[in-house]
Amino acid sequence: EIVLTQSPATLSLSPGERATLSCRASQSVSTYLVWYQQKPGQAPRLLIHDASNRATGIPVRFSGSGSGTDFTLTISSLEPEDFAVYYCQQRSNWPPWTFGQGTKVEIK
Amino acid sequence: QVQLQESGPGLVKPSETLSLTCTVSGGSITTYYWSWIRLPPGKGLEWIGYAYYSGSSNYNPSLKSRVTISLDTSKNQFSLKLSSVTAADTAMYYCARDHNILNAFDVWGQGTMVTVSS
Repeated sequence: EIVLTQSPATLSLSPGERATLSCRASQSVSTYLVWYQQKPGQAPRLLIHDASNRATGIPVRFSGSGSGTDFTLTISSLEPEDFAVYYCQQRSNWPPWTFGQGTKVEIK
Repeated sequence: QVQLQESGPGLVKPSETLSLTCTVSGGSITTYYWSWIRLPPGKGLEWIGYAYYSGSSNYNPSLKSRVTISLDTSKNQFSLKLSSVTAADTAMYYCARDHNILNAFDVWGQGTMVTVSS
């Protein structure tokens, strides 16, 4: 089973700042890496698929990069609605599909 | 657009079977794969398994002995059964569409909280 480690666990930033979230895989997942956003009381929302492709309707301030074992989700300038929990997920080896433990982006 | 809605009991007794249904609207269940995913309190997301209308399915090895996911094409629904539940199965349960081209879960239900307690 591929283990995904996300860091940091919590990121405290102010609106307008840049957010950089990390996801590291225990073995290579090529570019089969997905990012989701989850707000309290809501279902997860697909942000990025295949490491760097924004899903339909996702603002350009969200970008994904990386390949192999190291991946980054960047939010170029935080908007108030971006404060949420972010999960990465690997789609390389299954079963099972696995998720990271999440990074919470909170208002500083 | 496609929407998913989970339904089922919010409280299940230990050792009993958890049963949930996901109703798909705005699209046919005969395309794509359909998964269940859960979020235990204070933990991360866990993929439970998927089913496809052809009858194929695949499950998380950690749950495989207790899980069944099936589709009812006549009702455009799919269901989850998890047997012999314990407190560790307490979680928010989500149904989701597995988009094989995007290689991601692109549509999710709102989730339903299931508590295992006597």
